[in-house]
Amino acid sequence: DAGITQSPRHKVTETGTPVTLRCHQTENHRYMYWYRQDPGHGLRLIHYSYGVKDTDKGEVSDGYSVSRSKTEDFLLTLESATSSQTSVYFCAISESPDLGETQYFGPGTRLLVL
Amino acid sequence: AQTVTQSQPEMSVQEAETVTLSCTYDTSESDYYLFWYKQPPSRQMILVIRQEAYKQQNATENRFSVNFQKAAKSFSLKISDSQLGDAAMYFCAYRTSYYNQGGKLIFGQGTELSVKP
Repeated sequence: DAGITQSPRHKVTETGTPVTLRCHQTENHRYMYWYRQDPGHGLRLIHYSYGVKDTDKGEVSDGYSVSRSKTEDFLLTLESATSSQTSVYFCAISESPDLGETQYFGPGTRLLVL
Repeated sequence: AQTVTQSQPEMSVQEAETVTLSCTYDTSESDYYLFWYKQPPSRQMILVIRQEAYKQQNATENRFSVNFQKAAKSFSLKISDSQLGDAAMYFCAYRTSYYNQGGKLIFGQGTELSVKP
């Protein structure tokens, strides 16, 4: 199994509060991704990173920001959480997407925004 | 834009029998990759099998195989000798080119597979 951890695994927060989710990898993979999973939608890309300090938006990036100061860590921040951001969040890593490399997923973080 | 469609929200199979999960996709790219992921109740996303579009030979991993029809843009998953541990949500996914949002995965809506003893 790929060495990917996510923290916290579960979180309950209130509307308007900031929330940061962490993804940590031990594989030294260059690419990291944040997805969210909602019923009826599968997983959708929020943001991704192609190297330290190199990040870009995905298809559902509104209300989210990311940072990557080290190869192994990719942080997802909800600046002011809303109920629509209640979801399960998955981090994924990939060595090299241009070679069609498989993305490996972390265990997920369940976030509930009240 | 690429899309992935799984038209079977739920499927059921008897233990030891064979089941096929359907997936269709739409793309204008010629080179791409397709994947099937399994998500058990633990929510962990587990890679089941992958297929390179430039390969005509269908991928096989033990009891799991695919029927890849590039012209029809179809990518079905066959599970042989189904086991109770195969019960899970199965997602079909298409991987975009790296210049398209870093080679993101585009997922279908999923098919919930139940296995009856």
